[in-house]
Amino acid sequence: DTAVSQTPKYLVTQMGNDKSIKCEQNLGHDTMYWYKQDSKKFLKIMFSYNNKELIINETVPNRFSPKSPDKAHLNLHINSLELGDSAVYFCASSRQGGREQFFGPGTRLTVL
Amino acid sequence: KQEVTQIPAALSVPEGENLVLNCSFTDSAIYNLQWFRQDPGKGLTSLLLIQSSQREQTSGRLNASLDKSSGRSTLYIAASQPGDSATYLCADQLTGNTGKLIFGQGTTLQVKP
Repeated sequence: DTAVSQTPKYLVTQMGNDKSIKCEQNLGHDTMYWYKQDSKKFLKIMFSYNNKELIINETVPNRFSPKSPDKAHLNLHINSLELGDSAVYFCASSRQGGREQFFGPGTRLTVL
Repeated sequence: KQEVTQIPAALSVPEGENLVLNCSFTDSAIYNLQWFRQDPGKGLTSLLLIQSSQREQTSGRLNASLDKSSGRSTLYIAASQPGDSATYLCADQLTGNTGKLIFGQGTTLQVKP
């Protein structure tokens, strides 16, 4: 039983394209997150949603737009991809903000 | 601004040794601190969560401690095994319940048979 799942696992695309990454959790959590892990393996939060409401929006370019259709899903859409967007993107969830977070397997995005 | 630091960046030990991984943070107003394990090319696995009111948590061969006054947490691994080889990350959340985890850079552990 997969707790937090992401699709796709790998994404290779050209600069300027638009792409989406999907995340789903079956833990019954009401808070979901997107984190970015850069080439130096440093992890930083991007967004957080609680009950489909945006709670955290770090200084992320507005080319990145999260969408939460329901509590179990948090998708990340990226417009006009740039080389610097290449990274591993992790989705996570928790019962509520401040609780233990559980991470998905990550999506490795490569922009050529 | 909260900063989380993990030293050393890498550690290599022989199998069977007990070891301690260190994590320090600059702002003591934390809500909780979480230790994770990351295997190469994989996601993060939650190991232990310590609430700000707690001093330590234990799970099997792992024991995590928290000292808010000194801004430090340690992860103790007893009787290390080659399967423990991975990168260990600590992350804390500041008071406010936003869920924003602030990560350290991680310690990459290699346990040699």
